[in-house]
Amino acid sequence: ETGVTQTPRHLVMGMTNKKSLKCEQHLGHNAMYWYKQSAKKPLELMFVYSLEERVENNSVPSRFSPECPNSSHLFLHLHTLQPEDSALYLCASSLRPDGSTNEKLFFGSGTQLSVL
Amino acid sequence: KQEVTQIPAALSVPEGENLVLNCSFTDSAIYNLQWFRQDPGKGLTSLLLIQSSQREQTSGRLNASLDKSSGRSTLYIAASQPGDSATYLCAVRRDQGAQKLVFGQGTRLTINP
Repeated sequence: ETGVTQTPRHLVMGMTNKKSLKCEQHLGHNAMYWYKQSAKKPLELMFVYSLEERVENNSVPSRFSPECPNSSHLFLHLHTLQPEDSALYLCASSLRPDGSTNEKLFFGSGTQLSVL
Repeated sequence: KQEVTQIPAALSVPEGENLVLNCSFTDSAIYNLQWFRQDPGKGLTSLLLIQSSQREQTSGRLNASLDKSSGRSTLYIAASQPGDSATYLCAVRRDQGAQKLVFGQGTRLTINP
C-alpha cells in the first residue's frame, strides 16, 4: 500500500458515456499527477497539479478534464472517449511540487479503462 | 527532447542468477533517475532513486548505478528469486520544477524456478 488510492480499479465505458476517475492520497503531499500507460508505449505524463493548481497540461485532448479540489484528491473526468484511449491510468503524488532531487513519486494501482 | 530506452524488452533467467537491466537516456542534464517495479495490472513501486551527483544506490539485493556522461544506468539484481518477476522501468526527472518523469518502456523480467 503506497498511500495513493485509485477508484475504480476497472472501468468499461462506451464512447458516448461520461465517467470520472478518482485518486486520493493520504501522504500529506502537495503535488499530484495523472499518467497514462498504453500497451507497448512508455508512461506518458498527462497533468500535474501543484497545491491544487494545474501546472502542466501535456498536450492532452480536451475529452480528458482534470480536477483537483484539494491537495488530497484528484479527479479525471472523461467524456466522448475513443477506443484508443483504452489504457491504464495512473495517479501519483509527491511531497512538494518542485521537490528536492532525492524525492520519490508514489503511485496508485491505477484504473484499467476500456473504451468500447 | 529527452528519450529513455530500456534494453532488453524482456528477459528470462533461472532462479539464483545475478542479472543486469539497462537504461539509457539521450540528454545527460538530469536531476535524478529512478528505477520502478510494476507488477501486472498494478501501479509502480519506486525501488531506487539516484541523484545526479551520485554514482550508485543500493537496497538489499538491488544496486543501481548512474553514469550521467554516457547517459546510462544499470539495475543489478543479485541472487534472483521468482518474486522478482515483474516489469522494471527507469525514469529520469528532467526539470527543476514540478516533477515530470520521462519513462522508458520497461524490461519484463521472468525468473524461472
